[in-house]
Amino acid sequence: EPEVTQTPSHQVTQMGQEVILRCVPISNHLYFYWYRQILGQKVEFLVSFYNNEISEKSEIFDDQFSVERPDGSNFTLKIRSTKLEDSAMYFCASTSGPYLRETQYFGPGTRLLVL
Amino acid sequence: QKEVEQDPGPLSVPEGAIVSLNCTYSNSAFQYFMWYRQYSRKGPELLMYTYSSGNKEDGRFTAQVDKSSKYISLFIRDSQPSDSATYLCAYYGQNFVFGPGTRLSVLP
Repeated sequence: EPEVTQTPSHQVTQMGQEVILRCVPISNHLYFYWYRQILGQKVEFLVSFYNNEISEKSEIFDDQFSVERPDGSNFTLKIRSTKLEDSAMYFCASTSGPYLRETQYFGPGTRLLVL
Repeated sequence: QKEVEQDPGPLSVPEGAIVSLNCTYSNSAFQYFMWYRQYSRKGPELLMYTYSSGNKEDGRFTAQVDKSSKYISLFIRDSQPSDSATYLCAYYGQNFVFGPGTRLSVLP
């Protein structure tokens, strides 16, 4: 069964450092998403991406964040200068089409710890 | 008023019980309604989705939506220990909004 994969599974970084989280969505999917979940809190939408452009973004997704699809398979989330409050689990998700937005498939997540 | 409210639990039931999980929401723009299951330290897994009021059944799971009351429910019949997880309601209007989740434990 196809699945969304994410690397690394865990990342520890120093405050102020840049991190790049990587995702490989399901191969025929066209819509990509990033979410975060701070420990013990709810899943929060960050950004959606389609056709090499950001479709929607939340208030959380400020200038410190960027997304990119550098090639035909990877989808990345970059945090330019990490803050302590960026510590969270980051989930990537993908769907095959806009009318199937509800059928999102999530990756296993990257646990980011900012020290 | 919070956009989505969900009893965090934990909810403990014996194996075989019928489980009822509920969410309320405030945003009338929500068009699609979903239930996800999330095991510890894993990503959410879509269980069911619907976009209309009424019931939708899939195996042991039934999703119920009442748009007039802004209320959705998930019923699990014949609950199993493997159903022990956190259940997230979610909505889509302009983007996805998740509830905080209800932690369910099904005891053998």
